[in-house]
Amino acid sequence: EADIYQTPRYLVIGTGKKITLECSQTMGHDKMYWYQQDPGMELHLIHYSYGVNSTEKGDLSSESTVSRIRTEHFPLTLESARPSHTSQYLCASSEGGVGIEAFFGQGTRLTVV
Amino acid sequence: KNQVEQSPQSLIILEGKNCTLQCNYTVSPFSNLRWYKQDTGRGPVSLTIMTFSENTKSNGRYTATLDADTKQSSLHITASQLSDSASYICVVSDRGSTLGRLYFGRGTQLTVWP
Repeated sequence: EADIYQTPRYLVIGTGKKITLECSQTMGHDKMYWYQQDPGMELHLIHYSYGVNSTEKGDLSSESTVSRIRTEHFPLTLESARPSHTSQYLCASSEGGVGIEAFFGQGTRLTVV
Repeated sequence: KNQVEQSPQSLIILEGKNCTLQCNYTVSPFSNLRWYKQDTGRGPVSLTIMTFSENTKSNGRYTATLDADTKQSSLHITASQLSDSASYICVVSDRGSTLGRLYFGRGTQLTVWP
């Protein structure tokens, strides 16, 4: 069982609200990632981090922002949620280095109404 | 363009039967290939990971094969169980960057009927 946790698991929120999706891992991994996944579609990388104070944009453009103040914590924030942000958001972490396994959290299913 | 294609898109089999899922990729330079199982509404869980030099790897009833020359992989599930119903995702990593970028297929949705 991977020690990476996401909260909340499900979130329904109104348009214009600010939200933060939490992701924490207890494995001491340097690399952390946020992916967005629509039903039946592949995962798309939206943010990643090499370590503390390191954040980078991924392949898929996203209006969300991330921060990495602590190794174990990689929260994702949407300043003003819109219905187009409705999706599943998956957080992952890995030790680093090519070929190392990535561990995924359970995901947060976000619905913006 | 680095891509990962999986087939079939969906598959229904009876409990106890075997099945094989396919993955073709164009990712280069290749680093490793992983198969993940994703239950509905949950995060992917790793089944196998294979590097360039490995052509088969097993994890219980799951056996993955890799042909790095033809850039093809398969996941064989033997004696299927109801709990095998899930999406199976092929993920290929490149070694062209320090990130080890992961390229995801869309998955094969497997349904096992009693």
